[in-house]
Amino acid sequence: GAVVSQHPSRVICKSGTSVKIECRSLDFQATTMFWYRQFPKQSLMLMATSNEGSKATYEQGVEKDKFLINHASLTLSTLTVTSAHPEDSSFYICSASTGGGPSYEQYFGPGTRLTVT
Amino acid sequence: DAKTTQPPSMDCAEGRAANLPCNHSTISGNEYVYWYRQIHSQGPQYIIHGLKNNETNEMASLIITEDRKSSTLILPHATLRDTAVYYCIVRVGNDMRFGAGTRLTVKP
Repeated sequence: GAVVSQHPSRVICKSGTSVKIECRSLDFQATTMFWYRQFPKQSLMLMATSNEGSKATYEQGVEKDKFLINHASLTLSTLTVTSAHPEDSSFYICSASTGGGPSYEQYFGPGTRLTVT
Repeated sequence: DAKTTQPPSMDCAEGRAANLPCNHSTISGNEYVYWYRQIHSQGPQYIIHGLKNNETNEMASLIITEDRKSSTLILPHATLRDTAVYYCIVRVGNDMRFGAGTRLTVKP
């Protein structure tokens, strides 16, 4: 199947700093990329959807100025957590889709564990 | 998107078939049923999806009832490595929204 990578796999940052997470589709072009957040013992929560070259669409309750998403190419999307706080500590997972609509599969990255101290 | 209902947990003996149910009684005609699984601290892994016909691949089989209000994922010969949280998702739009899933534990 298609491969999606994330970098870094783990990151620790101090409160008030920003951290960038990269999501890459390695062997296919991703029309749409998605960002999820997962707290311990909970399910994945969709944060935002991004299409290459256009602004991301954020889910209700997700601050777009705090979670900056850039989808600059068909193989790369980045999530920047700005002015991170301990409550932003979570498992962040991206996914990529090869096309639009429900018949297209989404391929998920391995996730990035963010710890804010 | 239609909501799904899954049992929170299930056990299965190694080598036996694991049958994971999912109710999606409000599914609409153009919504697909997807199954993913997530092994601890990893990203979700695609298993299978279908619209109304039963589907089979190298990982599993998906049985969808005729009225499409429920489905069953079948892992024919469960192994210890199949221990994971299994998510049943119905989807019509571009995004995938996860419910609580079923935590399957395969026991030796």
